[in-house]
Amino acid sequence: GQQLNQSPQSMFIQEGEDVSMNCTSSSIFNTWLWYKQDPGEGPVLLIALYKAGELTSNGRLTAQFGITRKDSFLNISASIPSDVGIYFCAGQLDDYKLSFGAGTTVTVRA
Amino acid sequence: DTAVSQTPKYLVTQMGNDKSIKCEQNLGHDTMYWYKQDSKKFLKIMFSYNNKELIINETVPNRFSPKSPDKAHLNLHINSLELGDSAVYFCASSQGGVVGYTFGSGTRLTVV
Repeated sequence: GQQLNQSPQSMFIQEGEDVSMNCTSSSIFNTWLWYKQDPGEGPVLLIALYKAGELTSNGRLTAQFGITRKDSFLNISASIPSDVGIYFCAGQLDDYKLSFGAGTTVTVRA
Repeated sequence: DTAVSQTPKYLVTQMGNDKSIKCEQNLGHDTMYWYKQDSKKFLKIMFSYNNKELIINETVPNRFSPKSPDKAHLNLHINSLELGDSAVYFCASSQGGVVGYTFGSGTRLTVV
């Protein structure tokens, strides 16, 4: 499958900050997804986006499906300590396969 | 109730051994997957079964053989284990190709 370019690779957050991460691909996708992985666990789906231009929220999380269908971003507003973890973007065409980005590791700034 | 459960959680074994990882889902999904997460956390699909039929078979060494006895189970057998096989292996399931895989909590395989 295609590899997605996810940035930043890592970030430090301070409680209360808004954070942003994005994902780009050289190919189009029909669906974009964002997952979060906690240590020792599998990825958990946060948000799924189905249409170009779509903006979807899930609590403090907001994600957008880029107009070109080649990119997506995820915002976390008013971050809290439990937001730490690894966030993955994933894209899907019409088949069963998900292509994942390399992840953004979010840690708390000391 | 665990939706997708994998056993064992940890597996430490010597090079050359043969080992299996089991996966079961109780979500009623018809499609199951194996993904490999390497040390850099990159997730890559290995196999997928839909109603016990193999539908995705990525470029994976022949030493890896999936088996789906029914649509609720997908096991992964690995022959002649190598150091490079060390990784976390995730099982997942979905209903058809519908988005929103549910992942298991992973099996950390360490080959020494």
